[in-house]
Amino acid sequence: DSGVTQTPKHLITATGQRVTLRCSPRSGDLSVYWYQQSLDQGLQFLIQYYNGEERAKGNILERFSAQQFPDLHSELNLSSLELGDSALYFCASSFGTVPTDTQYFGPGTRLTVL
Amino acid sequence: AQKVTQAQTEISVVEKEDVTLDCVYETRDTTYYLFWYKQPPSGELVFLIRRNSFDEQNEISGRYSWNFQKSTSSFNFTITASQVVDSAVYFCALLPYNDMRFGAGTRLTVKP
Repeated sequence: DSGVTQTPKHLITATGQRVTLRCSPRSGDLSVYWYQQSLDQGLQFLIQYYNGEERAKGNILERFSAQQFPDLHSELNLSSLELGDSALYFCASSFGTVPTDTQYFGPGTRLTVL
Repeated sequence: AQKVTQAQTEISVVEKEDVTLDCVYETRDTTYYLFWYKQPPSGELVFLIRRNSFDEQNEISGRYSWNFQKSTSSFNFTITASQVVDSAVYFCALLPYNDMRFGAGTRLTVKP
């Protein structure tokens, strides 16, 4: 158990809908990272937050957004969902600001868009 | 371009065999980091190792060892005396700045 929690574990929704994925980092960690793992694109880094501020952006679509709250939990919002957004979404956390710090991954949220 | 290639899609070995997972990367940056992650059937990603571009020393951790060669842009991972619990998908990743790039992964199956 990495100490990172993600909810929900599974999410099934329809095209055009909007969903919110939630992540709670390990106690004491200030950075949260979001990743997408899909059959087509493989594993991709989406975005990093550090202590409430956006720190780095990867290959994140404009339909997707994220935020980190004062209690350090983070939410990834996916809107206008398409079939191709079906994927496993991972959250990871680390103590420091740099992504070279060891990142601890949560179990993921599996999103299915029908 | 920043890219990681794991040419081996799937590898199957019998327990106690040694196995090497290949990773070749491309980057124009002189400072970068390389990683290996393990994704067991349970799905979580587990960090295995981090290496920066200035440290070409090979590393050994128990049955795991890593061979980093800048001259061939490779960062290969060897499991000695493989065990069934090593069955997983293994990802190599490149971090040139703050955008982690992953390879497609190699699925390792270790049969008893």
